[in-house]
Amino acid sequence: GAVVSQHPSRVICKSGTSVKIECRSLDFQATTMFWYRQFPKKSLMLMATSNEGSKATYEQGVEKDKFLINHASLTLSTLTVTSAHPEDSSFYICSAHSQGEQYFGPGTRLTVT
Amino acid sequence: AQKITQTQPGMFVQEKEAVTLDCTYDTSDPSYGLFWYKQPSSGEMIFLIYQGSYDQQNATEGRYSLNFQKARKSANLVISASQLGDSAMYFCAMREGSSMRGSNYKLTFGKGTLLTVNP
Repeated sequence: GAVVSQHPSRVICKSGTSVKIECRSLDFQATTMFWYRQFPKKSLMLMATSNEGSKATYEQGVEKDKFLINHASLTLSTLTVTSAHPEDSSFYICSAHSQGEQYFGPGTRLTVT
Repeated sequence: AQKITQTQPGMFVQEKEAVTLDCTYDTSDPSYGLFWYKQPSSGEMIFLIYQGSYDQQNATEGRYSLNFQKARKSANLVISASQLGDSAMYFCAMREGSSMRGSNYKLTFGKGTLLTVNP
């Protein structure tokens, strides 16, 4: 089956720094990827839709200048959390769409100290 | 209004028994898809079962079946013969619009139900 990877799986960073999370489709091309955020014991909330070669579409309430998304190729989308704060600590999950199917990555746990 | 409602924050079931997890949805789009995912403590999202809005029959996948009642806008998940490994968070999710258009494939998730299987 199709595999989506995320790197890193866990990251700890200091307040004010930026951190980049990668989402890769390993054996298929994905023109569309999605970024979700999940707080502990909560549901997944869609942050943005990442389209290859064009700007991401952000959901209402998501700061596009804080959560930078780049979908530079058909197999890679990146989410950069800029000037991270402790409230950005969360579980970030990406998914990739291909031929009517959606495949999730294993998630990245971000802790901002 | 919430698009996906899961009214059971937590459920308990005895091993080997069946359990039903509730999910109701709200959409005006005639084309939609309903999904159930399992999320163990590791955090990965495991796809369980899918029901399309035009599917005539209820979906089944091994021990999982989806009780799809379109008029009631409900898509309950039934797990038969529960196993200890079924203990996890379960999410119902919906896609609105055609599945072949990538941007339509964003999912709206319910709040989830934490299932605990007792030995």
